[in-house]
Amino acid sequence: QVQLVQSGGGLVKPGGSLRLSCAASGFTSGFTFSDYDMNWIRQAPGKGLEWISKITLSGGTIYYADSVKGRFTVSRDNAKNSLLLQMNNLRAEDTAVYYCVADFDRDYFDYWGPGTLVSVSS
Amino acid sequence: SYVLTQPPSVSVAPGQTARITCMENNIGSTSVHWYQQRLGQAPVLVIHDDSDRPSGIPERFSGSNSGNAATLTISRVEAGDEADYYCQVWDTTTDHHVFGTGTKVTVL
Repeated sequence: QVQLVQSGGGLVKPGGSLRLSCAASGFTSGFTFSDYDMNWIRQAPGKGLEWISKITLSGGTIYYADSVKGRFTVSRDNAKNSLLLQMNNLRAEDTAVYYCVADFDRDYFDYWGPGTLVSVSS
Repeated sequence: SYVLTQPPSVSVAPGQTARITCMENNIGSTSVHWYQQRLGQAPVLVIHDDSDRPSGIPERFSGSNSGNAATLTISRVEAGDEADYYCQVWDTTTDHHVFGTGTKVTVL
């Protein structure tokens, strides 16, 4: 069973930056981190789910939601089984629980991290 | 691009059937996936590719997708089914994942 451990998050002022990390482990024999597309999905307090980014297996293609494009950057290190989300120029509306999510190169999400809270406030 | 509309809430008595719709024009032409999110927890995949259940999901959960509506059906509802439910698709025109607006299921 794939396990996703998230770190980072916290309180930041508007215009500030924050970096979230996600470490993956527990892959079934024969599979590795590089077999999974990785995503970031967020959920504002009391609101629904919002997909914000997807990075493909090798990191060669990255997709961003319009709400974060140009401000957020996603990267992965397959040798370290890790995923990063660099968030710059943060806004109050970026306040949310951020989930690291793996999909087995498919159109749905197989494994979710526990989420980490990002609060943007002065 | 897709805008997936779900009813905000569905209430159902234990043992009865809950049906949650996910509406969009011609949604039947794409695959729809469903997630359950209990209070304070991360979402869990309950149906993928319209009607397939992942390992460990009870047979009481089923899905269908045709025309302008996808439907998640929960049969013989239990107290533990009380949660928020979201539909989701991959939009090939925008290369974006899209979630539905979410439905809160309350077990009476």
